[in-house]
Amino acid sequence: AQSVTQLGSHVSVSEGALVLLRCNYSSSVPPYLFWYVQYPNQGLQLLLKYTTGATLVKGINGFEAEFKKSETSFHLTKPSAHMSDAAEYFCAVTDPGTYKYIFGTGTRLKVLA
Amino acid sequence: EPEVTQTPSHQVTQMGQEVILRCVPISNHLYFYWYRQILGQKVEFLVSFYNNEISEKSEIFDDQFSVERPDGSNFTLKIRSTKLEDSAMYFCASRDRGSRAFFGQGTRLTVV
Repeated sequence: AQSVTQLGSHVSVSEGALVLLRCNYSSSVPPYLFWYVQYPNQGLQLLLKYTTGATLVKGINGFEAEFKKSETSFHLTKPSAHMSDAAEYFCAVTDPGTYKYIFGTGTRLKVLA
Repeated sequence: EPEVTQTPSHQVTQMGQEVILRCVPISNHLYFYWYRQILGQKVEFLVSFYNNEISEKSEIFDDQFSVERPDGSNFTLKIRSTKLEDSAMYFCASRDRGSRAFFGQGTRLTVV
């Protein structure tokens, strides 16, 4: 069975600082991996995804993530945090067969002025 | 970018009442999903639907839940007799043959 672990339910960074949100997955098949962002009282917006190919993927709003098979990780980074990045971030995994998404518990990012 | 549309955005219902949550998936998509997010918790898979039948369902999706694609465009989730613990945000999603599912904005269901 697949699973996703997001370390840190709450992360605080200063504006302009590096953002690092951690995601580790477990999957018996090569996974597809996603990061979604959820702003208060809104839906899920896709930030980026990894399916195959290049392991460093770039997404919207300056975010990127690197798929590391040896570490079973897919951490999300952004070089410089902006106040507008404050939101909840969800990592998700799916296998290429079912495409059922398994979400992590989410990380709430707070950006300090 | 194409959108999945969900209505209503917020529904309040009394315990024991039936509710129907509606979704209009992206027009050429083939696979449809419902997910649920209880306040403050993670998003959980409920059910997937393909070729007019359920392809997979979770333990949460018990006999009080049902899904339907009544007219080839809408995709509905019915909860027959709502309980307080059904209060959650319900997300509809759809995809074509690719890997990416497009999520709707959600319907917040409040059972009182």
